[in-house]
Amino acid sequence: DVKVTQSSRYLVKRTGEKVFLECVQDMDHENMFWYRQDPGLGLRLIYFSYDVKMKEKGDIPEGYSVSREKKERFSLILESASTNQTSMYLCASSFGTQGIDEQFFGPGTRLTVL
Amino acid sequence: GESVGLHLPTLSVQEGDNSIINCAYSNSASDYFIWYKQESGKGPQFIIDIRSNMDKRQGQRVTVLLNKTVKHLSLQIAATQPGDSAVYFCAENRGNMLTFGGGTRLMVKP
Repeated sequence: DVKVTQSSRYLVKRTGEKVFLECVQDMDHENMFWYRQDPGLGLRLIYFSYDVKMKEKGDIPEGYSVSREKKERFSLILESASTNQTSMYLCASSFGTQGIDEQFFGPGTRLTVL
Repeated sequence: GESVGLHLPTLSVQEGDNSIINCAYSNSASDYFIWYKQESGKGPQFIIDIRSNMDKRQGQRVTVLLNKTVKHLSLQIAATQPGDSAVYFCAENRGNMLTFGGGTRLMVKP
């Protein structure tokens, strides 16, 4: 079974702190994604990556950056956390050279910024 | 049905009945559609997918129907069980990315 793990289930940070959210997948997937999920808004794509050291902006990249130094690991970085970044963050991965494939999700990290 | 606003549509069904969850998609160029189920406290789980060259696909107790003429997607769950209670999302491809709908909450009454 594909396993996507996220470093924390719950995280509380203060405004202005730098926040790292880590995601690891164990199925040698090329593609990895970061979403945020807010009530009634579904999942919105922040960034994605099709290969090591490669990244593409999604729909809402402002205030975020990402890093993919190894194929299995995709990190989401909040350079200076703000209260409007309080949300559920979901990482996903998929196999193949294009994103139009089933995405496997991690359990999510619920981030609260005070 | 799907909503892009703050209110999550809710479908309440009796255990054993069939459920139909609807989704309207926006991009006529989309050629891949997928349904996910998200239980409380968990990440979304794949249920079933369909490509635009099909109009129906069946899985175990689930059927997805695609009507490209009106850009409508539906998920049918047969003999709904308490374990089916969750939020259901449809997604369509936008180029190489997936765009998700706002979700529908399914509540199963015993």
